[in-house]
Amino acid sequence: TQLLEQSPQFLSIQEGENLTVYCNSSSVFSSLQWYRQEPGEGPVLLVTVVTGGEVKKLKRLTFQFGDARKDSSLHITAAQPGDTGLYLCAPFYNQGGKLIFGQGTELSVKP
Amino acid sequence: NAGVTQTPKFRILKIGQSMTLQCTQDMNHNYMYWYRQDPGMGLKLIYYSVGAGITDKGEVPNGYNVSRSTTEDFPLRLELAAPSQTSVYFCASSYRQVGGYTFGSGTRLTVV
Repeated sequence: TQLLEQSPQFLSIQEGENLTVYCNSSSVFSSLQWYRQEPGEGPVLLVTVVTGGEVKKLKRLTFQFGDARKDSSLHITAAQPGDTGLYLCAPFYNQGGKLIFGQGTELSVKP
Repeated sequence: NAGVTQTPKFRILKIGQSMTLQCTQDMNHNYMYWYRQDPGMGLKLIYYSVGAGITDKGEVPNGYNVSRSTTEDFPLRLELAAPSQTSVYFCASSYRQVGGYTFGSGTRLTVV
């Protein structure tokens, strides 16, 4: 059984600050997806990372896939109120063949 | 494109009642999934399907049933509703097994 931990669980910051969200697994995964969920809606895919050490950028969001393929991070530069939401990491393990979702990081960016 | 459509959006059930949560997608995706989301617990997989006629259990299947008679539809059946089934239910689909998931907007179910 894979153990998956996201941290922090809650984050409340001021507009303009930077932040990093972490996703750590007890097992190696083959790829990982990050999703963002707004209240009352389903999660929306932000990015998929597939190569160890890979870095992907999406405007002010930077996603990193750890070299050992057991961790990933999401860094937001100069956060804005529109970034508020629940951020979910979802590794894909070869054993099982399905996405497993972390418990999420609830981000609140205050103007 | 409608994507993934879930109905109803909200429902209140009494203990012991049954209901079916509807999910339909218009993207011709083979893979479909049902998740439940509880506060602070992320998304837990209930059932999934890799194609019409094929379904399998996820992490938390007890108290639920599914069927997949067509590519488009993947209904979730709750038999004998219990308060522990109070949750937000999401249906999702994907083109490939490791592809990005498209989620519906969810059904908020309360069992009283």
